[in-house]
This record gives sequence, structure tokens and C-alpha cells, in this order.
Amino acid sequence: GDSVTQMEGPVTLSEEAFLTINCTYTATGYPSLFWYVQYPGEGLQLLLKATKADDKGSNKGFEATYRKETTSFHLEKGSVQVSDSAVYFCALSDSISGSARQLTFGSGTQLTVLP
Amino acid sequence: DSGVTQTPKHLITATGQRVTLRCSPRSGDLSVYWYQQSLDQGLQFLIQYYNGEERAKGNILERFSAQQFPDLHSELNLSSLELGDSALYFCASSPWTGGNEQFFGPGTRLTVL
Repeated sequence: GDSVTQMEGPVTLSEEAFLTINCTYTATGYPSLFWYVQYPGEGLQLLLKATKADDKGSNKGFEATYRKETTSFHLEKGSVQVSDSAVYFCALSDSISGSARQLTFGSGTQLTVLP
Repeated sequence: DSGVTQTPKHLITATGQRVTLRCSPRSGDLSVYWYQQSLDQGLQFLIQYYNGEERAKGNILERFSAQQFPDLHSELNLSSLELGDSALYFCASSPWTGGNEQFFGPGTRLTVL
């Protein structure tokens, strides 16, 4: 079945540091890939997405490129801020599942940014 | 604010009891998904409804059931509760059954004592 493997956390960085959170996936079809963010006490918010190979999703300074050859979708940000502290989830939605596109999530990576 | 609402925000109950969690999707969204987030299992898909009909089932226990009503709100019913059912339950909605993007509610935190 489908699966998503995320870099283990927690990750602690200083403000303005470079961020990479690794994500690899296994899927039988042609999945869409997502990064969701969960701030303390809140629900999940879509951060960015990519629907086909070589697409780059970007939002709020975060970027991730859909790499079919390495089955990866790593999240990057050039300069993190304290306000980026949250849990980040990589997820996929596989078209092979048919019309129902439930999300398969990674385990989440806790990011803490120190001032 | 995603536009998806969930009630109640917190629920504390005892083992063996039954509870109902409620979700109102974004205006116009026909598809509702339920997910469970727990420390040991992570985020898992439970069930999906589209315009009142069940569309997909994930790791949902037989003690759990759901439905989507004509006004498109959905309810997740959890019965014969066990300590291990303590978790955060999220509802998400999307415009159609194949919609890529899902919008999540704030969740209901269930504590079973």
C-alpha cells in the first residue's frame, strides 16, 4: 500500500537558518503530494502541493519539488522564523485509490525555531 | 480559518460510553473525510462520505460509524469506547470526491478515562 516516510524529529534551528525536512513516498499510481502544517492546538493547514512529476509547490517561502525518480518531496526554506515553529506533515493522495482521494500521512516532524 | 467547523472541541468520557462528533464542511463542499490522530498511530484516514454516500473506508473500527446528512454535515459515532480511542479526531472537506485539496477543521480532542 501507499506510505510516506518523513525525517525523524524533533528539529531545532536558530532563526534565519536553512531548513530541510526529508520526505519519501511509496505509491502504486501517480500520487499528488502535499505538505501540511499543524500549529499548536490547531488543525492541519495545507502549506503547499504538487500534482505531477517535476512540479514545484511553494508558499510562504517554503518550497518542495516532486521528484519521481527519487520518489521524494523534500520541504525547504531558506531562512526560518520563530513563527515557523510547528509540526510538518508530508502526505500523498493516490489516484489508484479511485475517486476517493484520502490522504496518507507521514509521521510528522516537529520544528522548533529559536530566536 | 479553513471554513470547516467541528464540535465539540473537547470531550471527556468513560470507557464503555458512546459519543458523537460533529463536522460541518466548507460551504459547497460535498466530500467529508474523517481522520484520527494519536501518538502511537499518527494520522490515519477513517472514512469518507460524498454527498451523503459512503465512498471509502480506511482503518475504521467496527465500533465506529459515520454518516453524512442531506445538509452535508457529518457525524462520527464512537461506541463502546476504550482507553486507546483517546485521540484527536479531524474532519476535512473538499469540493468533490476526487478533490486534491482537503481543508481541515480544528479537531475534537477525545479523552477516554
